[in-house]
Amino acid sequence: ELKVEQNPLFLSMQEGKNYTIYCNYSTTSDRLYWYRQDPGKSLESLFVLLSNGAVKQEGRLMASLDTKARLSTLHITAAVHDLSATYFCAVTPRAQKLVFGQGTRLTINP
Amino acid sequence: NAGVTQTPKFQVLKTGQSMTLQCAQDMNHNSMYWYRQDPGMGLRLIYYSASEGTTDKGEVPNGYNVSRLNKREFSLRLESAAPSQTSVYFCASSAGITGELFFGEGSRLTVL
Repeated sequence: ELKVEQNPLFLSMQEGKNYTIYCNYSTTSDRLYWYRQDPGKSLESLFVLLSNGAVKQEGRLMASLDTKARLSTLHITAAVHDLSATYFCAVTPRAQKLVFGQGTRLTINP
Repeated sequence: NAGVTQTPKFQVLKTGQSMTLQCAQDMNHNSMYWYRQDPGMGLRLIYYSASEGTTDKGEVPNGYNVSRLNKREFSLRLESAAPSQTSVYFCASSAGITGELFFGEGSRLTVL
């Protein structure tokens, strides 16, 4: 059974700091997704990572994928309050539906 | 751009009542899903439909039924609601079973 674990589950940080959220998964996956959820809102897609070594960046967020280590990271650079949200990673075991991690609740304080 | 539309957005039920959550997508997606989200539990898959005419159980199917009415619509029915079904329900769709999910706005259900 595929397990997807995010670390940390809760993160409180100050504006201007850098930090990384980790997503580990237990079996081979075709691709990896990162989603963002604001409080009381739906989930929106941030990144789709399709191959080993893939790196994608959008503003202060950068996601990477290491399929050999079964690890993805979501790096936040010079955090700002607007990035406060819950971030989910999700993976697809071979030809199967997405499996989500538990989510990382990120709070960025002024 | 409508995307994935869920109705109703809010609902309060008494224990034992029944109701149906409706979901429609206008992206011509093959696959549709129903998730529930509870505090501290992340997203849990209830049922999904990989393609029109098929439905399969997810992680937490007990107490629910689904219907893939056509390619656009996927409904979730609670036959006899229980307080444990108080949750936020999300419908989602994707082009294929491994594809990027697009979520609806969510339906907040409270069972008293």
